[in-house]
Amino acid sequence: ETVLTQSPGTLSLSPGERATLSCRASQSVSSTYLAWFQQKPGQAPRLLIYGASSRAAGIPDRFSGSGSGTDFTLTIDRLEPEDFAVYYCQQYETSPEMFGQGTKLEIK
Amino acid sequence: EVQLVESGGDLVQPGGSLKLSCAASGFTFSGSTIHWVRQASGKGLEWVGRIRSKINSYATAYAASVKGRFTFSRDDSENTTYLQMNSLKTEDTAVYYCTRRQASFRPIDLWGQGTLVTVSS
Repeated sequence: ETVLTQSPGTLSLSPGERATLSCRASQSVSSTYLAWFQQKPGQAPRLLIYGASSRAAGIPDRFSGSGSGTDFTLTIDRLEPEDFAVYYCQQYETSPEMFGQGTKLEIK
Repeated sequence: EVQLVESGGDLVQPGGSLKLSCAASGFTFSGSTIHWVRQASGKGLEWVGRIRSKINSYATAYAASVKGRFTFSRDDSENTTYLQMNSLKTEDTAVYYCTRRQASFRPIDLWGQGTLVTVSS
């Protein structure tokens, strides 16, 4: 199975700053099958990025994804107050389609 | 409206059984793969498994933590999928989400609101 490790566990930043979140896979993942989700308290997760770098419908262009192989990154430019949440990466290439443990983005 | 609505969550004793339902509307349910994801309180997301469409022989896959205890099924005529949970353990306590993937190369793009399963004596 492919284990995803996200870092950092918690990221403290201020609105207007840039956030860089990492997702590292225990074995190579095709870029086609790497997604990022955002989850706010009391809500279901929401798809942000799929195929490592494609934004889902309605996602602002301050969200971007990159990476390949075993290292993937979610970047959020010019943080808005509504961006403070928990972010998860997921590989959906092979079963089990595991999620990373999450990165909590909190207001500094 | 395109949506998934879970139901059936409840309080159940360890060793007991429970069946969750997930009703779909607003899209072609029969062509979609349905994945179940759970989340214990304050914890991360855990992929539980999936059931594919008829054209893919309703193939199922399960996380190791639930294999042999949980079973997926679906009724395409009712646009509904089910999760039968047997031999429940306290560690199965979580919010259970049903989700949709529309093609093998597409990600999960739709989530239900979740239903809470509590396993406790």
